[in-house]
Amino acid sequence: SAVISQKPSRDICQRGTSLTIQCQVDSQVTMMFWYRQQPGQSLTLIATANQGSEATYESGFVIDKFPISRPNLTFSTLTVSNMSPEDSSIYLCSVGDRRGYEQYFGPGTRLTVT
Amino acid sequence: AQKITQTQPGMFVQEKEAVTLDCTYDTSDPSYGLFWYKQPSSGEMIFLIYQGSYDQQNATEGRYSLNFQKARKSANLVISASQLGDSAMYFCAMRESGSARQLTFGSGTQLTVLP
Repeated sequence: SAVISQKPSRDICQRGTSLTIQCQVDSQVTMMFWYRQQPGQSLTLIATANQGSEATYESGFVIDKFPISRPNLTFSTLTVSNMSPEDSSIYLCSVGDRRGYEQYFGPGTRLTVT
Repeated sequence: AQKITQTQPGMFVQEKEAVTLDCTYDTSDPSYGLFWYKQPSSGEMIFLIYQGSYDQQNATEGRYSLNFQKARKSANLVISASQLGDSAMYFCAMRESGSARQLTFGSGTQLTVLP
């Protein structure tokens, strides 16, 4: 199974600032995803991080708010821009294995915006 | 319409007993995969088990088994011999073949194992 690390593990940020979350995988993966989990809620897909091209965003999420980079097959970043308290969530990076039978998540980044 | 439905917001089970967590799904795609994840209070998402729509047998992984009833569109998770460490939120998820490996999650079930 893929080993995924995320930085930072948690952060407390002020309204109006931006935070960049890093996701590192120990092997090359084709598909990388970013999910958000608001307090007490289920997971919602933000976007698919595409290597070498722009990310594919889900309805309700825009590039200006959540810019994503994917410079290679093992690394991606998600930036949460111009934060408000409503952005307080756990942000999770996810990758699929080559066979498509399993999908793994990073440990998550717990973000609190004050 | 909800693609993944988990109707049990909370469940309690006595230690060492078995428990079933319900999950129903809705899809017109003939090829899909069903997943179960465990999320302890730490927030990490732990992959438990996978069932493919064409798999003939129910998936099993240690104490976890998936009761897959395709005609009823249900994919219930059975945990045998519950342990205190099983207390967590459990999510059912589905990936359809045309979804580029995106997962759609249910609302989750909070399982509490009682000593």
